[in-house]
Amino acid sequence: KAGVTQTPRYLIKTRGQQVTLSCSPISGHRSVSWYQQTPGQGLQFLFEYFSETQRNKGNFPGRFSGRQFSNSRSEMNVSTLELGDSALYLCASSLNGQPNQPQHFGDGTRLSIL
Amino acid sequence: DAKTTQPTSMDCAEGRAANLPCNHSTISGNEYVYWYRQIHSQGPQYIIHGLKNNETNEMASLIITEDRKSSTLILPHATLRDTAVYYCIVRVASGAGSYQLTFGKGTKLSVIP
Repeated sequence: KAGVTQTPRYLIKTRGQQVTLSCSPISGHRSVSWYQQTPGQGLQFLFEYFSETQRNKGNFPGRFSGRQFSNSRSEMNVSTLELGDSALYLCASSLNGQPNQPQHFGDGTRLSIL
Repeated sequence: DAKTTQPTSMDCAEGRAANLPCNHSTISGNEYVYWYRQIHSQGPQYIIHGLKNNETNEMASLIITEDRKSSTLILPHATLRDTAVYYCIVRVASGAGSYQLTFGKGTKLSVIP
């Protein structure tokens, strides 16, 4: 069974640009969550999507947004990039996000802002 | 905020059992304990989870105390590839039917040849 796939693996952007990251969940999984990982803040929750609806959102500015498609694939978008947005962005999927169902992570997209 | 306390680092000899402790004294009756590990430059890898009973899978065993205030992850025969940061997480409800993972600092396990 294929795992969670994130594309691209690496991305370099400049301040002010915008970026879109993609996540393909494990087949059959309908819940997709996004996390940001930085050395200083660790792993922080961005948002969760289930059945094309955002079910929960972390404490990030409105420049961070996402969506989920009918096939459960998800994208996240960051607009007006800032230097502090440099991070590893991780996507995780689970069957339906219930507490007894593990989230499985992809290897992330490493975003560098110049 | 993370509801768990773990040692910052631990060493284990290759081939020996690695026992990683975690305190979660404020855990509620319906909250699961999860363990993940992360090797540098990779996403966190799910290891095991449990509610009340001890659990075992092909990777590890999870021992949860009867009062559920602490748990221990056991890697039965540690190898060099088990060197990673190990996260113990209590999965709590975060609204609207959502149960997110809140990662703390974890334990840096170093397996020594």
